[in-house]
Parts: sequence; structure tokens; C-alpha cells
Amino acid sequence: GAVVSQHPSWVICKSGTSVKIECRSLDFQATTMFWYRQFPKQSLMLMATSNEGSKATYEQGVEKDKFLINHASLTLSTLTVTSAHPEDSSFYICSAAGTSGTYEQYFGPGTRLTVT
Amino acid sequence: GENVEQHPSTLSVQEGDSAVIKCTYSDSASNYFPWYKQELGKGPQLIIDIRSNVGEKKDQRIAVTLNKTAKHFSLHITETQPEDSAVYFCAASNMVGNQFYFGTGTSLTVIP
Repeated sequence: GAVVSQHPSWVICKSGTSVKIECRSLDFQATTMFWYRQFPKQSLMLMATSNEGSKATYEQGVEKDKFLINHASLTLSTLTVTSAHPEDSSFYICSAAGTSGTYEQYFGPGTRLTVT
Repeated sequence: GENVEQHPSTLSVQEGDSAVIKCTYSDSASNYFPWYKQELGKGPQLIIDIRSNVGEKKDQRIAVTLNKTAKHFSLHITETQPEDSAVYFCAASNMVGNQFYFGTGTSLTVIP
């Protein structure tokens, strides 16, 4: 099956700093990538959808200036949490969908962010 | 927009028994219904999916059924094993922008 990786798997940062999370599709080209946030024992909350070469579409309530998303190639999307605060601590998961017309969405292993 | 409900939120079964998780959706335009298994500290893994032109799909011990008229679909796991213990999420999509709408998850515990 399709493989999606995320890096780092976990990160601890100080309040006020920025953190970048990478999401890569390893064996297929992802025209669309998604970023989710998941709180303990809760479902996945879609933050934004990114298409290669265009600006990301953010869900209502998600600050686009705080969560910067870049989808520069068909295999890489990045999420940068700027000026992180303790309330940004969460599990961030990306997923990737293949070429247009396919249904499947494959998830990365997630990144645990802790802001101290 | 789409609203997906999932029941039960927790489920405990004895090893070897069957487990059934049910989801309902609201948008009749939804036509793709995947199921994901998420182990603690990991990302969701696609375990089975079904499209709207099919009523049932089976893969070894796992099966999914879809009732488009009633707008509900179910995951069936037979001969459960301890390694089946995880959180399971259903989702629905109408393929517009590939966006998925997730259920709230079911924590399955298989007791040895």
C-alpha cells in the first residue's frame, strides 16, 4: 500500500518558537495533502487541505497565519506552527491522496508536539 | 455539510467473538466509506473501504456493509484477536476535494 511518512515523530519546543513538520508520500505522487489535529481520545479534526502548487484551504476557525502550510511538490507538504503556545500541543497527522479520481487517503504516523 | 455518527464509543469483546461498529451519515451525495484502525500513538491505517455501488465487501476477518437507503454502514470483525484492540474510525466522502468526514471513533478492546 501507499506509504506516507512524517518527520519528526515527536518534538518538544519552548513557547514562542516555531516548529516545522514534514509530510512525505514515499511511493506515490500526492496531488492533495491534508493536515489534521487530534486531541486525546478524540476524532481527527481537519485543519487544512493543500494542493500542490497552490495555497492551502483552511477550515473555519483555523488560523492560517499561525499554521503555515506549504505543498511545494507532489511528494512533500509542510506544516509550520508559528509562535507556538502550550495550547498548540497536540497530535498532528497528515494524509495524502493520489491523483484526481482516486478515493483513498493514506495517513502518516503523526507528530506529537509538546509546547512548554 | 456531512455529519457522520459512530456507535458505540467503546466496545469490549471476548477473543474469538465478533465485533460490530456502526456509522450513519447525512449527505446522500457521499459515495465512499473507508474504515481506519488507529493504534495508540500512531496514525490511522486504512483497513477496508466500500464504494456506493457495492453493498458489501469482505477481506478475511473484516467486512463492511453499506445501506445507502438508510444511510448507514457497518464494520464487522469476526474471530477477534487481542491485536484487533485499537480505535476504529469510519469516514464518508463525496469525493469533492477528497475531503473525508470522520466519525467520533470506537475504542475496541479484545479480552484474551
